[in-house]
Amino acid sequence: KAGVTQTPRYLIKTRGQQVTLSCSPISGHRSVSWYQQTPGQGLQFLFEYFSETQRNKGNFPGRFSGRQFSNSRSEMNVSTLELGDSALYLCASSYQGSKNIQYFGAGTRLSVL
Amino acid sequence: AQKITQTQPGMFVQEKEAVTLDCTYDTSDPSYGLFWYKQPSSGEMIFLIYQGSYDQQNATEGRYSLNFQKARKSANLVISASQLGDSAMYFCAMREGQMANNLFFGTGTRLTVIP
Repeated sequence: KAGVTQTPRYLIKTRGQQVTLSCSPISGHRSVSWYQQTPGQGLQFLFEYFSETQRNKGNFPGRFSGRQFSNSRSEMNVSTLELGDSALYLCASSYQGSKNIQYFGAGTRLSVL
Repeated sequence: AQKITQTQPGMFVQEKEAVTLDCTYDTSDPSYGLFWYKQPSSGEMIFLIYQGSYDQQNATEGRYSLNFQKARKSANLVISASQLGDSAMYFCAMREGQMANNLFFGTGTRLTVIP
């Protein structure tokens, strides 16, 4: 079974631009969560989608948004990029079972210049 | 207050020895899950082991075991017979409730295995 796939792996953008990151979950997983990892703030939860609906949201500004498609693939968008948005963005998928374990992709490393 | 605390920024262990990575948590929810993940320099978070708050026995997965002390709110990871490939960052994480999918992560411990 294929794991969680994130594309692209690396991105370089300039301030003010917008960016879209993609995540394909493990087959059969309907929940997709996004996290931001920075040296200063560590790992922080962005949002979670389940059956095309945002089910939970972390404490991030409205510039960060996401969506999920009917095949459970998810995208996150960051508009009006700031230097502080430079981070590793990790996507995780889970099957809503008793343990609800989240399996992560390799991440997208975003650099904002 | 921090929900997950990892007090060891870095740890060294000799190859083939056992090592314990510390994790304490804080929650008032009676139902929660505790996780350990490994993050090599490549960046991918690799799931290692899970412990549910109602689980009576400590979780084990191969060379990984979780020392779960509920009253002390600690969930330490024990790696036995360390290998060079175990060198990585290790994160403890918690989920509050059964259905929630927002994990709270600790700051991590960098483990270095010495040959």
